[in-house]
Parts: sequence; C-alpha cells; structure tokens
Amino acid sequence: QAVVTQEPSLTVSPGGTVTLTCGSSTGAVTSGHYPYWFQQKPGQAPRTLIYDTSNKHSWTPARFSGSLLGGKAALTLSGAQPEDEAEYYCFLSYSGPWVFGGGTKLTVL
Amino acid sequence: EVQLVESGGGLVQPGGSLRLSCAASGFTFSSFWMTWVRQAPGKGLEWVANMKQDGSEYNYVDSVKGRFTISRDNAKNSLYLQMNSLRAEDTAVYYCVRENFFDYWGQGTLVTVSS
Repeated sequence: QAVVTQEPSLTVSPGGTVTLTCGSSTGAVTSGHYPYWFQQKPGQAPRTLIYDTSNKHSWTPARFSGSLLGGKAALTLSGAQPEDEAEYYCFLSYSGPWVFGGGTKLTVL
Repeated sequence: EVQLVESGGGLVQPGGSLRLSCAASGFTFSSFWMTWVRQAPGKGLEWVANMKQDGSEYNYVDSVKGRFTISRDNAKNSLYLQMNSLRAEDTAVYYCVRENFFDYWGQGTLVTVSS
C-alpha cells in the first residue's frame, strides 16, 4: 500500500505561521485523495481539523487552514498558540483503503 | 450526543484471538460507514478497516488481511473487529470511528499481544 510522508517535527514561535505538508508515494496528492488533517494531544483520541483538503469542522479554530501545495496536501497554522502543540496526522484515501502519514510533532516555542 | 464505546481489549498470547466491539449511540448507526483505527504505544495512527452502511463493502490494511474481520449489526448499533492469529505488532489502542468526515472517535480499547 501507499506510503504517506510528513515532516517528523516542526517548531513554530507563538504567534508565528507554519506549514505542514503531506506527500504520497504514488505521486501528487490531489483532491481525489480527500486529504484530512487530524490533531492529537497526549492521552487523547485524535480529532479532525480539516477534511476534503480544506473544509473545517465546527470545532476547528480559524487559524488552521488546508490546501494543496506543490503536489502535496498542506496544513497551515497562522498565529500559533501554545495549545496547538500536538501531533498532526495527514490521512489520504486510495479508493478504498485509507493511509495515515507518520505524523508531525509540532512544538510551539 | 454521539458516543462510541469500544470494549473487548485485553492481554492475549501470540496466535490468539480477540473480538472488539464498538457500541454506538446518539445517531443513526445504519447510515454511516464505520472504521477501525489503531495506534501502537508511542507510535502513529494506522487505519485498519472500514465497512459500508449495509456491510456490503469493506476494506482492510494489507497487514491484517486474512486475519481480521470487520462486521456490524445495525439492529444492535454495533461494530465489531474479529482479530485472529494475533501478533506482537498488533499491540495497540483500537479506536472505533464514525466515517462522516471521521468526526467522532471512541476513547479506544487496548489490545496487548504478549506471551
């Protein structure tokens, strides 16, 4: 099955902007992969931030946005807050099976 | 209120079997695809399997094909995962997830495969 790649770790300053990316071993990530982004904090179940590339749930803070960028899915955090420190997972559909990326540990420092 | 409550986890020896259950409430269970996701201790998320509303379609990750079986009982608002021939690498917290933009997750049940 496909491999989904993410940056293992990133650091952002409070109030700063950071972009996490998500690539696919099968080629460019497109809207047809219905890219998702999940946030997981220690000891908690994951929660969906972004679905279908750029759509937000009612609980998704406005500072998070999703897009396609240079053949990858991207999650941009604008105006990072201390509570945004977490693990972020990309998730792609492959016409049946789904595959998670390895996760990006985001540090707000 | 939507709730997903997993049960059935525990300690099992390599080669053994377990059946996980997910009790759903607060929504029309029969209207949604459902998914199992797992997370090994200290590791990332792994999608395991999913099933269509009526059970007529399902998918598995390659590593569990032939060993795990997903099923559902819409009359009981329940999702199941029958796990056979368990291996150490199946040790994980198993989450039940509603596949409506993956909006609701259970709290998970821990499966430990060890002798």
